[in-house]
Formats: sequence, structure tokens, C-alpha cells
Amino acid sequence: DVKVTQSSRYLVKRTGEKVFLECVQDMDHENMFWYRQDPGLGLRLIYFSYDVKMKEKGDIPEGYSVSREKKERFSLILESASTNQTSMYLCASSSPSHGELFFGEGSRLTVL
Amino acid sequence: EDQVTQSPEALRLQEGESSSLNCSYTVSGLRGLFWYRQDPGKGPEFLFTLYSAGEEKEKERLKATLTKKESFLHITAPKPEDSATYLCAVQGRGSNYKLTFGKGTLLTVNP
Repeated sequence: DVKVTQSSRYLVKRTGEKVFLECVQDMDHENMFWYRQDPGLGLRLIYFSYDVKMKEKGDIPEGYSVSREKKERFSLILESASTNQTSMYLCASSSPSHGELFFGEGSRLTVL
Repeated sequence: EDQVTQSPEALRLQEGESSSLNCSYTVSGLRGLFWYRQDPGKGPEFLFTLYSAGEEKEKERLKATLTKKESFLHITAPKPEDSATYLCAVQGRGSNYKLTFGKGTLLTVNP
């Protein structure tokens, strides 16, 4: 089975702090994604990566950056956390030959 | 721009009462339509992929169907453990592997 592991299930940070969310997948997938999920807004794509060191902006990249130094690992970085970044963050991976995304358990971030 | 609309937003059923969830979509060249199940506080769990109109997929009490404009997730004789949010997503040919998600249908099955 595909396993996508997110490093932290719950985080509480203060406004202005730098936040790292880590994601690791074990299926050798080329594509990795970061979404955020908010009530009433659904899942929105922040960034995705189709190869090591490659990244593309999604629909809501402002305030976020990403890093993919190894194929299995994709990190989401909040340079200066703000309260409107309080959300559930979901990492996913997929292979180019199959479109379905496999998600991690999610990281619930609260920014105070 | 790809768009997905799911209805209803919420659905309450009695155990054993069959029903359907709807997913309407607009996409420039469908590469795939996906159904997911999401339990509270967890990540979405992949259920089905449908690629072309007329295709059907089944898994236990769930059956997904696809037309050129919409997909249905039929739930036959549901049980309380089927309670979850069901998400629909599409991938268009110009999407570069991205999926566009609907907002989901919250299904509650009462015993």
C-alpha cells in the first residue's frame, strides 16, 4: 500500500514564526502536492512538484514556499505564519501514469 | 478552468436506505474523475477512478458511474460505518497532474 507520512498531526505556532511541514512517501512517486482544506472552501492546491527540485505554484501559493531535495520528501514552509494560515494541511503523491492522489493523514496547524 | 460541484452538501439516511450522491463537472478534456472518502480529522482515502462516459466501478456497497457531465456515487443499503464526507475530483488534460476537488457531500447513516 502507498504510504504518505506527514511529520506532525497537530501544531500550534505563534504569528511570525517560521513553520516547516514535512511529508514523505514510500512509493517512488514522481508527483507530490500540498493542499490546504478549510470548511466551506474545500481542498485548495498550494504547490506541487513533478520532479526533484522542480515546483509549480498551485491556486493559493502566497505566503508559502516548498522544497523538494529528494524524490520521497516534500516540505511546505510558512516563512512568517499568520492567523489566516490556520488550517488542515494535506500532502499527497501520485505517479504520472495514474492520476489518483494518495494522501497523508493531514497536519492541523493553529496559528495564534 | 476545471470546476466540480457536488450535491447535496449533506445527506442523512437511515441504515439500509439506498441513495446517490452527485458530482457535476466541467473540464477541458477529462483525463480522470476520482472519488474519495474522508473521515473527520483524516486525509482523503482513494475509492475509484473513472476515465470515460459509461464506465462503472464497484466496491462493497458503493458504485460509481460516469457520464459526460456528471458522476454518481450510489450507496446501496448503507451502514453507519459508511458515514463520512465523500469528495469528487477531476483531472483535465491540461491540468499537469493537478486535481480539482468539489466541496464534498457529508453523509450520515443513522442506525
